[in-house]
Amino acid sequence: DAKTTQPTSMDCAEGRAANLPCNHSTISGNEYVYWYRQIHSQGPQYIIHGLKNNETNEMASLIITEDRKSSTLILPHATLRDTAVYYCIVREGNNAGNMLTFGGGTRLMVKP
Amino acid sequence: DVKVTQSSRYLVKRTGEKVFLECVQDMDHENMFWYRQDPGLGLRLIYFSYDVKMKEKGDIPEGYSVSREKKERFSLILESASTNQTSMYLCASSMSSGNEQFFGPGTRLTVL
Repeated sequence: DAKTTQPTSMDCAEGRAANLPCNHSTISGNEYVYWYRQIHSQGPQYIIHGLKNNETNEMASLIITEDRKSSTLILPHATLRDTAVYYCIVREGNNAGNMLTFGGGTRLMVKP
Repeated sequence: DVKVTQSSRYLVKRTGEKVFLECVQDMDHENMFWYRQDPGLGLRLIYFSYDVKMKEKGDIPEGYSVSREKKERFSLILESASTNQTSMYLCASSMSSGNEQFFGPGTRLTVL
């Protein structure tokens, strides 16, 4: 998997949008960007993934730059329950059969 | 909802003991994975399986073995536990054509 770079930690006020950046400058053409999060004492949870178009689901939006070298995960209205470590991963293929390699992630703290 | 369960949340074993970690998923997923998670090292794949009785080594298989006799169950075995195997162990499953991996809650293993 290509390497990703994320800030170690971020704070966000409850109710505001949380914007989590990820740099993946060495991403190749067939690699997707995936986001997972891990709430304390739980296993990781899938959030969203994309190739080059922006994506939105019930949890979040994913904005990928045109050159695909970076992306931003947006939680539109952060709640206290969104406090977690967020992992940005790039990997080949649109198939969860491929393994995941998590880096350090961003520890998001949502504050009241 | 997909459910991935792991046999224990916390486990304490002694050096040299044989340790079994069990994982069960209830969604008829073809793929199952065992990861370990350590501070500063992220998530690392130990073994995975894409079908019953099939297994593939991940990044760090040394000191571990696995068993997949039934589709819903994937066992991780530490033949002779060592202190450097103290870690959080996470099981995951996915469809062969799916986009996300579903994780269990994890087993925190301490080897004394």
